[in-house]
Amino acid sequence: DIQMTQSPSSLSASVGDRVTITCRASQSITSYLNWYQQKPGKAPNLLIYAASSLHAGVPSRFSGSGSGTDFTLTITSLRPEDFATYYCQQSYNTPRTFGQGTRVESK
Amino acid sequence: DVQLVESGGGLVQPGRSLRLSCAASGFSFEYYAMHWVRQVPGKGLEWVAGINWNSDKTDYADSVKGRFTISRDNAKNSLYVQMNSLRPEDTALYYCTKVTLSSYDAFDVWGRGTMVTVSS
Repeated sequence: DIQMTQSPSSLSASVGDRVTITCRASQSITSYLNWYQQKPGKAPNLLIYAASSLHAGVPSRFSGSGSGTDFTLTITSLRPEDFATYYCQQSYNTPRTFGQGTRVESK
Repeated sequence: DVQLVESGGGLVQPGRSLRLSCAASGFSFEYYAMHWVRQVPGKGLEWVAGINWNSDKTDYADSVKGRFTISRDNAKNSLYVQMNSLRPEDTALYYCTKVTLSSYDAFDVWGRGTMVTVSS
Protein backbone atom coordinates (compact mmCIF):
# COMPACT_ATOMS: atom_id res chain seq x y z
CA ASP A 1 0.00 0.00 0.00
CA ILE A 2 1.14 3.56 -0.67
CA GLN A 3 1.60 5.54 2.52
CA MET A 4 0.81 9.25 2.47
CA THR A 5 2.50 11.44 5.06
CA GLN A 6 1.48 15.04 5.61
CA SER A 7 3.38 17.70 7.47
CA PRO A 8 2.82 19.45 9.68
CA SER A 9 -0.02 17.69 11.52
CA SER A 10 -1.24 21.09 12.64
CA LEU A 11 -0.28 24.72 12.26
CA SER A 12 -1.34 28.05 13.63
CA ALA A 13 -1.72 30.95 11.23
CA SER A 14 -3.32 34.36 10.92
CA VAL A 15 -5.64 35.78 8.31
CA GLY A 16 -3.52 36.96 5.40
CA ASP A 17 -0.71 34.47 6.02
CA ARG A 18 0.73 32.26 3.33
CA VAL A 19 0.24 28.63 4.37
CA THR A 20 2.06 25.61 2.96
CA ILE A 21 1.23 21.97 3.64
CA THR A 22 3.33 19.13 2.31
CA CYS A 23 2.42 15.58 1.43
CA ARG A 24 4.87 12.79 0.71
CA ALA A 25 4.04 9.46 -0.90
CA SER A 26 5.96 6.29 -0.05
CA GLN A 27 6.46 5.62 -3.78
CA SER A 28 5.98 7.59 -6.97
CA ILE A 29 2.37 8.41 -7.74
CA THR A 30 3.23 10.67 -10.69
CA SER A 31 0.49 13.35 -10.52
CA TYR A 32 -2.29 11.22 -8.99
CA LEU A 33 -2.59 13.43 -5.94
CA ASN A 34 -5.70 15.20 -4.68
CA TRP A 35 -6.32 17.69 -1.87
CA TYR A 36 -9.46 18.06 0.23
CA GLN A 37 -10.66 20.54 2.82
CA GLN A 38 -12.88 19.44 5.69
CA LYS A 39 -14.63 21.66 8.20
CA PRO A 40 -16.02 20.32 11.50
CA GLY A 41 -19.26 18.40 11.04
CA LYS A 42 -19.06 18.58 7.26
CA ALA A 43 -18.03 16.24 4.47
CA PRO A 44 -14.71 16.87 2.76
CA ASN A 45 -14.59 19.14 -0.30
CA LEU A 46 -12.28 18.63 -3.26
CA LEU A 47 -9.84 21.50 -3.73
CA ILE A 48 -7.12 20.25 -6.09
CA TYR A 49 -6.93 17.20 -8.33
CA ALA A 50 -4.10 15.83 -10.44
CA ALA A 51 -1.62 17.57 -8.12
CA SER A 52 -2.15 21.07 -9.51
CA SER A 53 -5.59 21.41 -11.14
CA LEU A 54 -8.03 23.64 -9.30
CA HIS A 55 -11.46 22.08 -8.87
CA ALA A 56 -14.39 24.11 -10.17
CA GLY A 57 -15.46 26.87 -7.82
CA VAL A 58 -12.37 26.71 -5.60
CA PRO A 59 -10.80 30.13 -4.99
CA SER A 60 -7.55 30.85 -6.79
CA ARG A 61 -5.70 31.45 -3.50
CA PHE A 62 -5.45 27.65 -3.32
CA SER A 63 -2.79 25.99 -5.44
CA GLY A 64 -1.07 22.64 -5.64
CA SER A 65 2.28 21.55 -6.96
CA GLY A 66 4.58 18.56 -7.13
CA SER A 67 4.94 15.22 -8.82
CA GLY A 68 6.41 11.84 -8.06
CA THR A 69 6.53 11.62 -4.28
CA ASP A 70 6.51 15.20 -2.99
CA PHE A 71 3.56 17.55 -3.16
CA THR A 72 2.52 20.89 -1.74
CA LEU A 73 -0.76 22.68 -1.07
CA THR A 74 -0.41 26.44 -0.75
CA ILE A 75 -2.93 29.00 0.43
CA THR A 76 -1.53 32.35 -0.64
CA SER A 77 -3.51 34.59 1.69
CA LEU A 78 -5.43 32.79 4.41
CA ARG A 79 -9.03 33.80 4.88
CA PRO A 80 -11.23 33.15 7.94
CA GLU A 81 -13.18 30.44 6.11
CA ASP A 82 -9.95 28.52 5.39
CA PHE A 83 -9.47 27.37 8.98
CA ALA A 84 -10.10 23.66 8.53
CA THR A 85 -8.38 20.31 8.18
CA TYR A 86 -6.70 19.45 4.88
CA TYR A 87 -6.09 15.96 3.52
CA CYS A 88 -4.04 14.70 0.62
CA GLN A 89 -5.07 11.48 -1.13
CA GLN A 90 -3.47 9.36 -3.81
CA SER A 91 -5.54 7.94 -6.67
CA TYR A 92 -2.62 6.15 -8.37
CA ASN A 93 -3.77 2.73 -7.25
CA THR A 94 -5.88 0.89 -4.71
CA PRO A 95 -6.21 1.02 -1.85
CA ARG A 96 -6.75 4.73 -2.21
CA THR A 97 -4.94 6.24 0.75
CA PHE A 98 -5.21 9.55 2.55
CA GLY A 99 -2.71 11.52 4.53
CA GLN A 100 -3.41 11.85 8.24
CA GLY A 101 -4.59 15.44 7.83
CA THR A 102 -3.26 18.90 8.64
CA ARG A 103 -5.33 21.08 10.92
CA VAL A 104 -5.02 24.81 10.20
CA GLU A 105 -5.91 26.78 13.31
CA SER A 106 -6.18 30.44 14.11
CA LYS A 107 -3.15 31.91 15.83
CA ASP B 1 -28.09 19.98 -7.90
CA VAL B 2 -25.69 17.06 -7.73
CA GLN B 3 -26.48 15.19 -4.54
CA LEU B 4 -25.59 12.00 -2.70
CA VAL B 5 -27.70 10.92 0.27
CA GLU B 6 -26.62 8.02 2.45
CA SER B 7 -28.94 5.97 4.63
CA GLY B 8 -29.01 2.74 6.57
CA GLY B 9 -26.66 3.50 9.42
CA GLY B 10 -27.39 2.77 13.04
CA LEU B 11 -26.41 0.81 16.12
CA VAL B 12 -25.60 -2.83 15.51
CA GLN B 13 -24.07 -5.58 17.62
CA PRO B 14 -20.66 -7.04 16.78
CA GLY B 15 -20.92 -9.88 14.29
CA ARG B 16 -24.17 -8.63 12.80
CA SER B 17 -24.81 -7.13 9.37
CA LEU B 18 -25.90 -3.81 7.98
CA ARG B 19 -26.56 -2.51 4.48
CA LEU B 20 -25.87 1.10 3.63
CA SER B 21 -27.45 2.83 0.65
CA CYS B 22 -26.57 5.97 -1.26
CA ALA B 23 -29.13 7.70 -3.48
CA ALA B 24 -27.63 9.78 -6.26
CA SER B 25 -29.31 12.62 -8.12
CA GLY B 26 -28.45 15.51 -10.40
CA PHE B 27 -25.94 13.65 -12.58
CA SER B 28 -25.72 10.63 -14.89
CA PHE B 29 -24.95 8.08 -12.18
CA GLU B 30 -24.35 5.24 -14.63
CA TYR B 31 -21.23 6.89 -16.07
CA TYR B 32 -19.28 7.30 -12.83
CA ALA B 33 -17.24 5.09 -10.55
CA MET B 34 -18.34 5.38 -6.93
CA HIS B 35 -16.65 4.80 -3.61
CA TRP B 36 -17.27 4.54 0.12
CA VAL B 37 -15.01 6.40 2.54
CA ARG B 38 -15.33 6.28 6.32
CA GLN B 39 -14.22 8.45 9.18
CA VAL B 40 -14.10 7.74 12.87
CA PRO B 41 -15.36 10.93 14.56
CA GLY B 42 -12.40 13.19 15.28
CA LYS B 43 -10.03 11.06 13.17
CA GLY B 44 -8.88 10.92 9.57
CA LEU B 45 -10.40 9.59 6.36
CA GLU B 46 -10.19 5.93 5.37
CA TRP B 47 -11.09 4.63 1.93
CA VAL B 48 -13.32 1.56 2.21
CA ALA B 49 -14.35 0.33 -1.24
CA GLY B 50 -14.88 1.35 -4.85
CA ILE B 51 -16.85 0.14 -7.86
CA ASN B 52 -16.54 1.08 -11.53
CA TRP B 53 -19.41 2.32 -13.67
CA ASN B 54 -20.73 -1.07 -14.79
CA SER B 55 -19.83 -3.12 -11.69
CA ASP B 56 -17.09 -4.99 -13.56
CA LYS B 57 -14.46 -3.96 -11.07
CA THR B 58 -14.63 -3.66 -7.31
CA ASP B 59 -11.86 -2.93 -4.83
CA TYR B 60 -11.69 -3.10 -1.06
CA ALA B 61 -9.51 -1.96 1.78
CA ASP B 62 -7.77 -4.87 3.46
CA SER B 63 -9.60 -4.00 6.68
CA VAL B 64 -12.98 -4.87 5.12
CA LYS B 65 -12.09 -7.39 2.41
CA GLY B 66 -14.18 -10.52 2.68
CA ARG B 67 -16.70 -8.84 4.98
CA PHE B 68 -18.00 -5.89 2.93
CA THR B 69 -19.51 -6.00 -0.56
CA ILE B 70 -19.99 -2.89 -2.67
CA SER B 71 -22.64 -2.89 -5.37
CA ARG B 72 -24.72 -0.52 -7.46
CA ASP B 73 -28.01 -0.38 -9.32
CA ASN B 74 -27.71 2.07 -12.19
CA ALA B 75 -31.43 1.83 -12.93
CA LYS B 76 -32.13 3.09 -9.42
CA ASN B 77 -29.22 5.57 -9.26
CA SER B 78 -28.08 3.86 -6.10
CA LEU B 79 -24.90 2.63 -4.48
CA TYR B 80 -24.76 0.09 -1.68
CA VAL B 81 -22.39 -1.56 0.72
CA GLN B 82 -23.32 -4.77 2.47
CA MET B 83 -21.38 -4.98 5.73
CA ASN B 84 -21.18 -8.40 7.37
CA SER B 85 -19.38 -9.63 10.47
CA LEU B 86 -19.21 -6.10 11.80
CA ARG B 87 -16.54 -5.23 14.35
CA PRO B 88 -16.29 -2.39 16.85
CA GLU B 89 -13.49 -0.92 14.72
CA ASP B 90 -15.98 -0.49 11.86
CA THR B 91 -17.67 2.23 13.91
CA ALA B 92 -17.47 5.36 11.78
CA LEU B 93 -19.31 7.87 9.64
CA TYR B 94 -19.63 6.35 6.17
CA TYR B 95 -19.54 8.68 3.17
CA CYS B 96 -20.62 7.89 -0.36
CA THR B 97 -18.45 9.63 -2.96
CA LYS B 98 -18.46 10.16 -6.71
CA VAL B 99 -15.29 10.37 -8.77
CA THR B 100 -14.47 12.92 -11.44
CA LEU B 101 -14.75 11.91 -15.09
CA SER B 102 -11.06 12.61 -15.56
CA SER B 103 -8.58 9.77 -15.29
CA TYR B 104 -7.38 11.13 -11.95
CA ASP B 105 -10.36 9.76 -10.00
CA ALA B 106 -10.63 12.48 -7.39
CA PHE B 107 -13.71 12.41 -5.16
CA ASP B 108 -15.58 15.49 -6.29
CA VAL B 109 -18.97 14.96 -4.64
CA TRP B 110 -19.60 13.63 -1.14
CA GLY B 111 -22.74 12.82 0.77
CA ARG B 112 -23.28 13.97 4.34
CA GLY B 113 -22.59 10.50 5.66
CA THR B 114 -24.43 7.91 7.71
CA MET B 115 -23.17 6.85 11.13
CA VAL B 116 -22.53 3.19 11.93
CA THR B 117 -21.95 2.22 15.54
CA VAL B 118 -20.90 -1.35 16.30
CA SER B 119 -21.34 -2.07 19.97
CA SER B 120 -22.94 -4.60 22.28
